[in-house]
Amino acid sequence: SYDLAQPPSVSVSPGQTASITCSGDKLGNKYVCWYQQRPGQSPVLVIYEDRKRPSGIPERFSGSNSGNTATLTISGTQAMDEADYYCQAWGSSTVVFGGGTKVTVL
Amino acid sequence: QVQLQESGPGLVKPSETLSLTCTVSDGSISNYYWSWIRQPPGKGLEWIGYIYSSGSTNYNPSLKSRVTISVNPSKNQFSLRLSSVTAADTAVYFCARWLDGGYGFDIWGRGTKVTVSS
Repeated sequence: SYDLAQPPSVSVSPGQTASITCSGDKLGNKYVCWYQQRPGQSPVLVIYEDRKRPSGIPERFSGSNSGNTATLTISGTQAMDEADYYCQAWGSSTVVFGGGTKVTVL
Repeated sequence: QVQLQESGPGLVKPSETLSLTCTVSDGSISNYYWSWIRQPPGKGLEWIGYIYSSGSTNYNPSLKSRVTISVNPSKNQFSLRLSSVTAADTAVYFCARWLDGGYGFDIWGRGTKVTVSS
C-alpha cells in the first residue's frame, strides 16, 4: 500500500509563514491535493495538481511537490487558517490521504 | 453550485449492514466520479471508494470485502453499503465528488455521523 506522512502539528504566529509537509515514495511523480478542515466542518479543497488554487481560495495558500515531499505553504497566516490540513494523492490505484496536520495560530 | 447531502441511519448494530445515500442537487450525477470518505472520531480521513456515473467502481483494499457502492442516475443518487460493521466503523461519513487526474475532491457533503452500537 502507498502511505503519506504528515507532521501531527505545526504552530505559527499570526502574519508568519506556515509550512506543512507531506512525504511519500516518489511523491513528486504524482499529483497532490490539499484540504483544509475546520472543527466540525467538511474538508475544503485548497490546492489541486500540486500548486493550483480553486476559485475562492486566498493567494496566501500555495503548494509545491518534488522528490518525495509535497509542501503546503500558508503565507501571512491568519487566525482563520487554524485548522487540520490533509494531503491526498493517488497511489497504488487508490486514493490515499495523509494523517493530517493540525495548524495552530498562536 | 452542485450540493451533496448524505442520509441514512445514525445508529447501526454490530454485525449489521450500514447503508447511506448521497443525493446530488443543482447538478447532474452523469460523467463524474462520486466517492465516500469517512472520519472516525478525532482521527483523519479514510477513503472508502468511488463510483463513476456509468457504474464502474474502485474500493479501498482494506474495506473492499465489505463495501458496495452503487449509483441511481434517475434519482441523482449514489449509495454506500458496508457489511458486518463493528465499533471501528463508527465515524462521520462524507460523500464527495472526485475529479480524476489530480483535481481532487472538489465538492463535499456535510457528513453524517454513524455510530455502531448495540
